[in-house]
Amino acid sequence: GAGVSQSPSNKVTEKGKDVELRCDPISGHTALYWYRQRLGQGLEFLIYFQGNSAPDKSGLPSDRFSAERTGESVSTLTIQRTQQEDSAVYLCASSWTGKGTEAFFGQGTRLTVV
Amino acid sequence: GENVEQHPSTLSVQEGDSAVIKCTYSDSASNYFPWYKQELGKRPQLIIDIRSNVGEKKDQRIAVTLNKTAKHFSLHITETQPEDSAVYFCAASIGNDYKLSFGAGTTVTVRA
Repeated sequence: GAGVSQSPSNKVTEKGKDVELRCDPISGHTALYWYRQRLGQGLEFLIYFQGNSAPDKSGLPSDRFSAERTGESVSTLTIQRTQQEDSAVYLCASSWTGKGTEAFFGQGTRLTVV
Repeated sequence: GENVEQHPSTLSVQEGDSAVIKCTYSDSASNYFPWYKQELGKRPQLIIDIRSNVGEKKDQRIAVTLNKTAKHFSLHITETQPEDSAVYFCAASIGNDYKLSFGAGTTVTVRA
């Protein structure tokens, strides 16, 4: 595809269930970010992948959150035992290389925990 | 890690007036400074960016200035229009892995 694709676009889950969010970056982009955006709030950094380097996980809010990336392709963000405070839009972004280039955002996954 | 401060958090301007948003960063090695616009319910999109070897860049009604000595950069929107109403985020690319760090955002409202 031409842009960053995220799926699902919307997800409603029951408290305590696990969810998996998917991000397909633009082909050839080595850098990939996950952000969380609560309603009316800013971009909360979660995790950053850059090529084959160890990911920067410094933004993950708890051990219920994890993310994987297959090479320079698809990434999945997993939230275990979801809580109501996890409700937010989860945005993925990718860039050609981290080195001073534009990051392109996906449309986001709106997660609602009920 | 990099700390990017953004001010103000909200900005209301009369249509036709100018809007200015300022950001400061802490890492003197930062070398890339993009600005993103996020309209309600949409994804953030790049509107302008500047690199550390340039002091100012313009694109129609939008301009960005960079002061490396003071470690701050600003977004200027002239002749504001209702469609400029959005949340604007600044960012700085830092470190050996060039991670983008974002400011907290500025909600701009243009009053007709």
